[in-house]
Amino acid sequence: SQKIEQNSEALNIQEGKTATLTCNYTNYSPAYLQWYRQDPGRGPVFLLLIRENEKEKRKERLKVTFDTTLKQSLFHITASQPADSATYLCALRGGSYIPTFGRGTSLIVHP
Amino acid sequence: EPEVTQTPSHQVTQMGQEVILRCVPISNHLYFYWYRQILGQKVEFLVSFYNNEISEKSEIFDDQFSVERPDGSNFTLKIRSTKLEDSAMYFCASSPGQGENTEAFFGQGTRLTVV
Repeated sequence: SQKIEQNSEALNIQEGKTATLTCNYTNYSPAYLQWYRQDPGRGPVFLLLIRENEKEKRKERLKVTFDTTLKQSLFHITASQPADSATYLCALRGGSYIPTFGRGTSLIVHP
Repeated sequence: EPEVTQTPSHQVTQMGQEVILRCVPISNHLYFYWYRQILGQKVEFLVSFYNNEISEKSEIFDDQFSVERPDGSNFTLKIRSTKLEDSAMYFCASSPGQGENTEAFFGQGTRLTVV
């Protein structure tokens, strides 16, 4: 069956460090992958999209990599800030245009 | 900045009752979606809607659920006979298109509690 796996354990890091979150998937051949941010009690907010033929995408302090051989995407936040604390969701669009979400990983940035 | 708005923010209903969750998508968007998120679990797709009809639905979206766009601005999700397990956050989303570069804009959600 198709699976999107994100680390269920919260990631705790110190302010200023780089946070790295992982998304692994099985039985998908996604044309692209998206990352969203979700704050408690709020809807997901789109951050970045990376296509299967792109190795890396950057936006300000965010960087996403996509390895279709490993079936993995890494999401990095450099110079992290307490305001970056949230849950980060990976989403894939497989055969349809509808994004399917992973469970998300909670990031906690300590001042 | 345009946003998706949802009402009510919190709805408490008795098991077996009908509920209607309301959404106003962003005005120039063409595709509309409903998702749900049970507490502590992932965001799950329910249904997508385009050109006044359902374009895709998940296995969660059974006969108890229906969607409607009654006028030019509102998009509603109806649950006919609520069950305890329908308790969740329900998110409406919209997008201007459905191509690969299209992002979905989510509302703040309606927390549905079935008692």
